[in-house]
Amino acid sequence: KAGVTQTPRYLIKTRGQQVTLSCSPISGHRSVSWYQQTPGQGLQFLFEYFSETQRNKGNFPGRFSGRQFSNSRSEMNVSTLELGDSALYLCASSLGGSPGQGTHEQYFGPGTRLTVT
Amino acid sequence: GQNIDQPTEMTATEGAIVQINCTYQTSGFNGLFWYQQHAGEAPTFLSYNVLDGLEEKGRFSSFLSRSKGYSYLLLKELQMKDSASYLCAVLAGGSYIPTFGRGTSLIVHP
Repeated sequence: KAGVTQTPRYLIKTRGQQVTLSCSPISGHRSVSWYQQTPGQGLQFLFEYFSETQRNKGNFPGRFSGRQFSNSRSEMNVSTLELGDSALYLCASSLGGSPGQGTHEQYFGPGTRLTVT
Repeated sequence: GQNIDQPTEMTATEGAIVQINCTYQTSGFNGLFWYQQHAGEAPTFLSYNVLDGLEEKGRFSSFLSRSKGYSYLLLKELQMKDSASYLCAVLAGGSYIPTFGRGTSLIVHP
């Protein structure tokens, strides 16, 4: 079974631009979560999509948005980029069942390394 | 909210045993994960505990005490390739999303 894939792997943008990152989950996984990882803050949760609906949202500004398609692929968009947005953006997929069902084991993609200059 | 604590860094010798602790405070509890992350790579799943006790999986074992809000990851027969960051993540409060600790950087030296 193919793992989680993310594109692009590396990206360099300038302040004020916008960027779209893509994630394809493991086949059969309906939940896709996005995380931002920086050396200082660790893994910070952005949002989670399940069956094309945003089910959970972290504490990030509205410049960060996402969506999920009917095939469970997901995109994340960041508008008006700031220097502080430089980070590794990780996507994780899971079966996404109810809490306590043990179906929340997340499988991470390789990430997109975004550098904002 | 949730509070998850792990040591920032640990060092150990090749062939030895190391225990990485994780304490958490949360309302409601639906499980605890351990992930391994090598530098520049994505986290990979190691274990999931939802009941008290020890789960053994090869060289790695994970323990959970829900009453104490405590877990540990035990790594035996350490190898150089075990040098990585180890992330503790808690699923709680009816949330579908685990909250991650800052991670423990483990350095294994010869």
